[in-house]
Amino acid sequence: GAVVSQHPSWVICKSGTSVKIECRSLDFQATTMFWYRQFPKQSLMLMATSNEGSKATYEQGVEKDKFLINHASLTLSTLTVTSAHPEDSSFYICSARDYRGNGQPQHFGDGTRLSIL
Amino acid sequence: RKEVEQDPGPFNVPEGATVAFNCTYSNSASQSFFWYRQDCRKEPKLLMSVYSSGNEDGRFTAQLNRASQYISLLIRDSKLSDSATYLCVVADSGGGADGLTFGKGTHLIIQP
Repeated sequence: GAVVSQHPSWVICKSGTSVKIECRSLDFQATTMFWYRQFPKQSLMLMATSNEGSKATYEQGVEKDKFLINHASLTLSTLTVTSAHPEDSSFYICSARDYRGNGQPQHFGDGTRLSIL
Repeated sequence: RKEVEQDPGPFNVPEGATVAFNCTYSNSASQSFFWYRQDCRKEPKLLMSVYSSGNEDGRFTAQLNRASQYISLLIRDSKLSDSATYLCVVADSGGGADGLTFGKGTHLIIQP
């Protein structure tokens, strides 16, 4: 079955650091990937839609200069949290659309727990 | 703003019992509907899609009422392993081509 790999799974770093998270589709090509964020006891919230070879589409309230998304290939999208602060601490999770239509609307990565001190 | 509302629970249910969850969604133009389960500190996993005619997968039955914008999930003969958070999920397009809108989830605890 389709697998989406997300790395790293856990990050702890100082305030002001920039953090890059990778999302890879391992056995299928993903022209569209999505980035979500989940705060404790809250729902997953869509941050942005990442399309291969073009600029990401950000949801209202998500700062594009703060959360840089690059989707340079059909199997890799990256999210960089620039100058991260404690309020950016959250569970970040990516998903990839599988156009082969194997029943899953989107395949999710394992998520990245980001803790900013 | 698109919203999906669920009772957060927790629902404490004895093993073997039947439990039902509901959710409502605000966007009447929504096309696709799903139930996901999320275990603590893990990614969500698709449990089942929800179709207008209603559908069943083993012990799980899902129903959709488009007129009322209401989705339900019924779990029969509940197992300890069913303990999780159940997420009601809606998509504007068919097949999840757009981002998904998640409810906050309903927390289910199956007690031995």
